[in-house]
Amino acid sequence: AQSVTQPDIHITVSEGASLELRCNYSYGATPYLFWYVQSPGQGLQLLLKYFSGDTLVQGIKGFEAEFKRSQSSFNLRKPSVHWSDAAEYFCAVGPKDKLIFGTGTRLQVFP
Amino acid sequence: KAGVTQTPRYLIKTRGQQVTLSCSPISGHRSVSWYQQTPGQGLQFLFEYFSETQRNKGNFPGRFSGRQFSNSRSEMNVSTLELGDSALYLCASSPPAPPDEQFFGPGTRLTVL
Repeated sequence: AQSVTQPDIHITVSEGASLELRCNYSYGATPYLFWYVQSPGQGLQLLLKYFSGDTLVQGIKGFEAEFKRSQSSFNLRKPSVHWSDAAEYFCAVGPKDKLIFGTGTRLQVFP
Repeated sequence: KAGVTQTPRYLIKTRGQQVTLSCSPISGHRSVSWYQQTPGQGLQFLFEYFSETQRNKGNFPGRFSGRQFSNSRSEMNVSTLELGDSALYLCASSPPAPPDEQFFGPGTRLTVL
């Protein structure tokens, strides 16, 4: 069955610290992978996506993610977190029109 | 270019009623997908329409239905509302050509009392 697992429900970091959000997927074919961010009361904004090619992808707001086929992972990273990064982050897999989402990771940033 | 718009933004209904939510995609986008977001089940795919045809469907009961008009605007309908239908309903549109991504609207918050 196709699925996405985000093992960390809630992560707290200090401003300026590095960040890594984990995502593992199960998908029969070559996956299309996405990371979205959702601020309170808002819709989803795409941070980055991976379809093929270079396994390290760069996104907006200084985020990057690395696709590791052997580990079925697509972890999101940021070298230095800003207070404005506090939000909920969702990993998703599948064709773009029928996404399967993980349960999300809520990021809290302390000054 | 205007983003995806959803109306209404907030809605309160009672059990047994029906509700219709509306979504206007980004100009030029022909695919519209709907998702339900709840604290318990997370984000779940409802259905996707392309050129007025339902192309994909998620695992939801028949009380959930949708349609798409010739101008690509879409509506979703939920009949015989249940308490568990309380959720944020998100609509997303995507273009027929790259970039291969969906653009989400702000959602409609439905509360069923």
